Amino acid sequence: GENVEQHPSTLSVQEGDSAVIKCTYSDSASNYFPWYKQELGKRPQLIIDIRSNVGEKKDQRIAVTLNKTAKHFSLHITETQPEDSAVYFCAARSASKIIFGSGTRLSIRP
Amino acid sequence: NAGVMQNPRHLVRRRGQEARLRCSPMKGHSHVYWYRQLPEEGLKFMVYLQKENIIDESGMPKERFSAEFPKEGPSILRIQQVVRGDSAAYFCASSPPGQGAVGEQFFGPGTRLTVL
Repeated sequence: GENVEQHPSTLSVQEGDSAVIKCTYSDSASNYFPWYKQELGKRPQLIIDIRSNVGEKKDQRIAVTLNKTAKHFSLHITETQPEDSAVYFCAARSASKIIFGSGTRLSIRP
Repeated sequence: NAGVMQNPRHLVRRRGQEARLRCSPMKGHSHVYWYRQLPEEGLKFMVYLQKENIIDESGMPKERFSAEFPKEGPSILRIQQVVRGDSAAYFCASSPPGQGAVGEQFFGPGTRLTVL
């Protein structure tokens, strides 16, 4: 079935440094790739998304890149801040449902 | 415009009882999705519904679980004869009509089910 792989599962970076999270997907027909941030005990919240007709999208300190040929996409967070600490999920839309990756727990060291 | 509402926020059941989880989508949204999140894990798709129709239930266990989204009222996820393994957070999400395959899903706060 459809699958989304996400790496790494945990990531610790120094405040101010960049963080990169990578995902691969299996369904070549996927055309929508959202990224969600989930703080402890809270709901997932969309932080950025990209559609398959675009290779890169940026929103302030957050950027996402998509390589449809290789079926992988990445989240880049620059100038990380303590409030960036959370679990991040990539996802890919496959037919009528969204398939989530297993999550990356990002910790920002002061 | 209120966001996606879920209730109850916390639900405790004993093994063998029934659990009913409710989700009211955002105003104007006609698509509802249910996900399950086990502790320290990702979100697993369960079911996708539109008003009075189940569109995709490929992620729903074949037994004990059912979902509906009636013409009037909230969407209901029903778990019969709960077992300890059903303990999880259940999130509902909604999206507006016409978004099709490329629409943002807005998540509710979740219902945390604990089975004793």
